[in-house]
Amino acid sequence: KNEVEQSPQNLTAQEGEFITINCSYSVGISALHWLQQHPGGGIVSLFMLSSGKKKHGRLIATINIQEKHSSLHITASHPRDSAVYICAAIPIPQGGSEKLVFGKGTKLTVNP
Amino acid sequence: NAGVTQTPKFRILKIGQSMTLQCTQDMNHNYMYWYRQDPGMGLKLIYYSVGAGITDKGEVPNGYNVSRSTTEDFPLRLELAAPSQTSVYFCASSYRRESSYNSPLHFGNGTRLTVT
Repeated sequence: KNEVEQSPQNLTAQEGEFITINCSYSVGISALHWLQQHPGGGIVSLFMLSSGKKKHGRLIATINIQEKHSSLHITASHPRDSAVYICAAIPIPQGGSEKLVFGKGTKLTVNP
Repeated sequence: NAGVTQTPKFRILKIGQSMTLQCTQDMNHNYMYWYRQDPGMGLKLIYYSVGAGITDKGEVPNGYNVSRSTTEDFPLRLELAAPSQTSVYFCASSYRRESSYNSPLHFGNGTRLTVT
């Protein structure tokens, strides 16, 4: 069983819709990453969170360490947001990036 | 800056053949990582390096070897390729061990390897 679970696995939306992707984990963590994998395969780091909320453009990431849950929100979604979104957690005891545990990803398709 | 550069992008190997996946970064990052991504699975760490001359095993190291003779290069060697090594391979780097907003993970574009 993967220690990091993402939902939904697949998500189809219409342009302009508000998107939420969820990530839950079964172990204590020190931080969590959200990554975006483009259809061409390249992976880009979006956020790294250890508490609270972070915002970058139309993307918002939140985390509740105690409840073992993080969400990635996309406001006013656009077809160019179509990608696979991956969360990755750093478990406690304290570790570095070599300790990342990855979710399986959420494939988002935004239709025009 | 080029960031993290991986070559080749695609490769088909026959069972038992060997090859080296190249990874170079021009950001002077100390930490470098090799991952494999199988369909429907999360990324798995193969090997990582915390600096030139220092490497360590990740979660799935069997069948692979690495070296880190310079800060820039972190090649991954496959000896005696097997069908189970069919996967997409990603190299990544970061400035600090604990990636942060100011020191995110940087990924290469991946190498799609098929072993038949």
